[in-house]
Amino acid sequence: EAGVVQSPRYKIIEKKQPVAFWCNPISGHNTLYWYLQNLGQGPELLIRYENEEAVDDSQLPKDRFSAERLKGVDSTLKIQPAELGDSAVYLCASSSGQGAVRNEQFFGPGTRLTVL
Amino acid sequence: GESVGLHLPTLSVQEGDNSIINCAYSNSASDYFIWYKQESGKGPQFIIDIRSNMDKRQGQRVTVLLNKTVKHLSLQIAATQPGDSAVYFCAEGSIIQGAQKLVFGQGTRLTINP
Repeated sequence: EAGVVQSPRYKIIEKKQPVAFWCNPISGHNTLYWYLQNLGQGPELLIRYENEEAVDDSQLPKDRFSAERLKGVDSTLKIQPAELGDSAVYLCASSSGQGAVRNEQFFGPGTRLTVL
Repeated sequence: GESVGLHLPTLSVQEGDNSIINCAYSNSASDYFIWYKQESGKGPQFIIDIRSNMDKRQGQRVTVLLNKTVKHLSLQIAATQPGDSAVYFCAEGSIIQGAQKLVFGQGTRLTINP
């Protein structure tokens, strides 16, 4: 079974440019997460979806970040405009959802963003 | 570039030795804890979890110990192998929340020397 798929794996852009990341979760997983991981630190949750509904976006900087999961499957995270401080790895994860015996989160490989 | 002043704790052990990685968690209300392993260029991978009603849980070559009194978590890896080299993160969460809102600690880089 395929794991969480993310693309692109690497992205280099100049500041003030827009950028988008795509995630395809594990088939059947209702819950999807976007995390930000700075160098040497643990992942920090940006947003969590239950199907197509964003149920926790309290940590998402809404002035420049947006996300969508229109059909409750794939998701896109967008930054517009990007700033130097946005350079990080953006991780997507998915899980079966609340109610599962062990609601393990499965992570994708991440997209490494470099803003110049 | 790298963050100025950021220091990732490191641990180096000889292949075949046992290793212990420690983690202090912050929220006394957390009742679910997970250890993740992250290899270079990959996302975190689940290793083992433990609920707060337990003090110890064992897996294959790994043991997690939980001390709720001092809010401390440790991961023991027995007979380390080169493939164990990675960054290890602890994470805390809540069973009532379905373990969906995880807070990750700072990682520890484990290096296995041949």
